[in-house]
Amino acid sequence: GEDVEQSLFLSVREGDSSVINCTYTDSSSTYLYWYKQEPGAGLQLLTYIFSNMDMKQDQRLTVLLNKKDKHLSLRIADTQTGDSAIYFCAEKRDTGGFKTIFGAGTRLFVKA
Amino acid sequence: GAVVSQHPSRVICKSGTSVKIECRSLDFQATTMFWYRQFPKQSLMLMATSNEGSKATYEQGVEKDKFLINHASLTLSTLTVTSAHPEDSSFYICSARDPGLAKGGTSDTQYFGPGTRLTVL
Repeated sequence: GEDVEQSLFLSVREGDSSVINCTYTDSSSTYLYWYKQEPGAGLQLLTYIFSNMDMKQDQRLTVLLNKKDKHLSLRIADTQTGDSAIYFCAEKRDTGGFKTIFGAGTRLFVKA
Repeated sequence: GAVVSQHPSRVICKSGTSVKIECRSLDFQATTMFWYRQFPKQSLMLMATSNEGSKATYEQGVEKDKFLINHASLTLSTLTVTSAHPEDSSFYICSARDPGLAKGGTSDTQYFGPGTRLTVL
């Protein structure tokens, strides 16, 4: 994931909002995704945003996209202990084929 | 969202043996499946792209004779780790691309299996 960068760790208190940031480099990205991975499990698609959108809200999740700065963020409102997991940012590149590039993942730790 | 299963979820084998991992799309037909490897506290590393009815496309540095991929049907892809060694121990995750419009996703969304933990002794 050398072209998609995320901070590796975030710690918040239960009930606070969490904001996980991601930067990407390829302007041809068409879709950007957020996945959640719990320990020992596969990846669960949380949400996605199309590159011509700048915001998407889905219950407690808000995705913001700044295409000019190639910056994507995921905000989790009212963070719960069950939100503790690794969150991966990913971009789908339109290079004539289908290739998804993942960031290294941000480990979210929620303190009770 | 769409469901992808993997089997087995965990396998321990002796060095030199071969291990087969299955990846199935349960409620959609996947013309393309992907195999990833994940090291502890690291991101997913794409190993290969598996296309139904044709040869897999391997990423640079991945030995195709070591990691055999077969995509025999629209719902099943298998990864066989041949002559496994301790350095092959890892978490292997497959994903399947839903070519249609899956609920909760886009037509190009990948849905991931739960992963297979391989330990080679």
